[in-house]
Parts: sequence; structure tokens; C-alpha cells
Amino acid sequence: EDQVTQSPEALRLQEGESSSLNCSYTVSGLRGLFWYRQDPGKGPEFLFTLYSAGEEKEKERLKATLTKKESFLHITAPKPEDSATYLCAVQGNQFYFGTGTSLTVIP
Amino acid sequence: DAGVTQSPTHLIKTRGQQVTLRCSPKSGHDTVSWYQQALGQGPQFIFQYYEEEERQRGNFPDRFSGHQFPNYSSELNVNALLLGDSALYLCASSSGYAASPLHFGNGTRLTVT
Repeated sequence: EDQVTQSPEALRLQEGESSSLNCSYTVSGLRGLFWYRQDPGKGPEFLFTLYSAGEEKEKERLKATLTKKESFLHITAPKPEDSATYLCAVQGNQFYFGTGTSLTVIP
Repeated sequence: DAGVTQSPTHLIKTRGQQVTLRCSPKSGHDTVSWYQQALGQGPQFIFQYYEEEERQRGNFPDRFSGHQFPNYSSELNVNALLLGDSALYLCASSSGYAASPLHFGNGTRLTVT
């Protein structure tokens, strides 16, 4: 069964305290792994696509990596404006989303 | 460059009623997918439309139906509303039928009383 599991469910960081979010997955025929950011009351905002194990993508303070069974979203020196829910999704025959990690960055 | 737009933003309906939600895809996109997101959960796939046909469907009952128009815009219809249908309904567009990132609208918040 295709599924996505994200951990932790919630994460509180001090401003500047780096950390990582985990996304583990099982999917038949992975077409791509996607990271999204979702602010309260908004739709998910696309961040990254990763297609194969070993691939890495970076954008500002965020870096996404992919292995054959999991992906990590590394957040370096986060700022309060990075507070949001981060969603991971995999595409097999359809898109499967995890339940997200709620990140709070405290000034 | 307009992104994905959805209407209405909020809707309150009574159990048993029917509802229609609307979506205009991002410019240049021809594929539209609909998702249901309950509070604290990730989006759940309802169905996908490409070339005016339903191409894929998730695990949702036939009360959920849709349509795609020649201009690629789409509608989601839900009949015989249940309390459990209360959720954020998200429309996502993408380019082509194959793998490409989904771009989401801000959703329609449906409350069923």
C-alpha cells in the first residue's frame, strides 16, 4: 500500500536553531517526491521536487534530500517567517500526502 | 501570471444539500485535480481531470463528481452532503498528464451543518 509518514508531527525551534523534518514513504513506481509549505487558511505552496535517490535541492534556508525510502527537509538557521506546516507528497499512480510537520520558530 | 483560483472561499450548507465548487487553473496548465483536506490532515486525492475526462479517482463515493471545461477550468460537485464532508477543498493544476508539480489554490472551506 502506498503511504507517506512524516515526523515529527510538531516541532518548536528557537530562531537560528537548525533541524530536520523526515518523510518516509512506500510507493509503487516513484515518479517524484514533493515538498510543500502550507500556511494557515492557505493552499500548499510548492517548494521542491526530487526524482531520484541522492538528489538534493536548496532554496534559501531549506534543503531537501532523497534516499530510496525517505526524504529530509533540512532547515538551517530558521527565522519566525519559516513557521508553517510542511507537507511531503509522493507521486506513484497518484499523489499521496503525509499529514505534515507543524513548525514553529520562536524569536 | 494568475495562479490557481477557487470560488467561493467559504460555504455553509445543510446536511443533504448539494454544492458546486469552482476552479480556474494556473495559466498554461491543462490538468486539474481536486483534494479534500480535513483539519490537521494532509490533502486526500478525490479525482483528476485531463482533456475534459476523469483520468484517476481516489477513494471517494459517487456523491463526489466533477467536470472539466474546454478552457481547462473545473467544477467539483458533492451531492447529499454529510457532516463529515466538512473540510477544505483544494484544487490543484499541473501541466500534462505525467509527473509534474501540483500548484494549489487557497481552497474552499465547506462547512456542513
